Amino acid sequence: GQQLNQSPQSMFIQEGEDVSMNCTSSSIFNTWLWYKQEPGEGPVLLIALYKAGELTSNGRLTAQFGITRKDSFLNISASIPSDVGIYFCAGPANSGGGADGLTFGKGTHLIIQP
Amino acid sequence: DSGVTQTPKHLITATGQRVTLRCSPRSGDLSVYWYQQSLDQGLQFLIQYYNGEERAKGNILERFSAQQFPDLHSELNLSSLELGDSALYFCASSLNRGIGYGYTFGSGTRLTVV
Repeated sequence: GQQLNQSPQSMFIQEGEDVSMNCTSSSIFNTWLWYKQEPGEGPVLLIALYKAGELTSNGRLTAQFGITRKDSFLNISASIPSDVGIYFCAGPANSGGGADGLTFGKGTHLIIQP
Repeated sequence: DSGVTQTPKHLITATGQRVTLRCSPRSGDLSVYWYQQSLDQGLQFLIQYYNGEERAKGNILERFSAQQFPDLHSELNLSSLELGDSALYFCASSLNRGIGYGYTFGSGTRLTVV
């Protein structure tokens, strides 16, 4: 099956710093999604990307759909304590269109030191 | 509150037993997805139902089954439970069949098999 590799696995940053994380795929994706999961909760959709080269923002979050269609990037500017959580990238489980499930990366753990 | 309701929140059971996890999708959503989240495998897509019919299968074991009822709620049945089945089980829902704009997750059921 398709695999998504996220990096870094974890980040320890100071409040106010900018954050960058990325996700690469072994195959081409037509859709990239970024989710955030907090303890005791399910993942929450942050940003959805549908076209190669697309750059989309949601507040302090900005995500880009790589032009090769095999990667995506998420940036968080001026981090605040509530940004703590696990960030997942996700894409279609089956690029052939047969399945509607998502393949998730292993996540980037974001930890913010005051 | 995401609008997707999962019960129970926690479940502890013994190996070899059978359990049923329940999910009520957001009002108006026709698709229900089940995911398993474990430390080693991450988030894995199990199965999708759309308007009562099975739509797509992911990495679901033969010991597991699901169904979606006419009122659109869904149940995930796990039988002959093994220690390795201990995980968080998430349900998600969306309006249509495809991943489209992503979908909404519930808060999960934490299953512990002892």
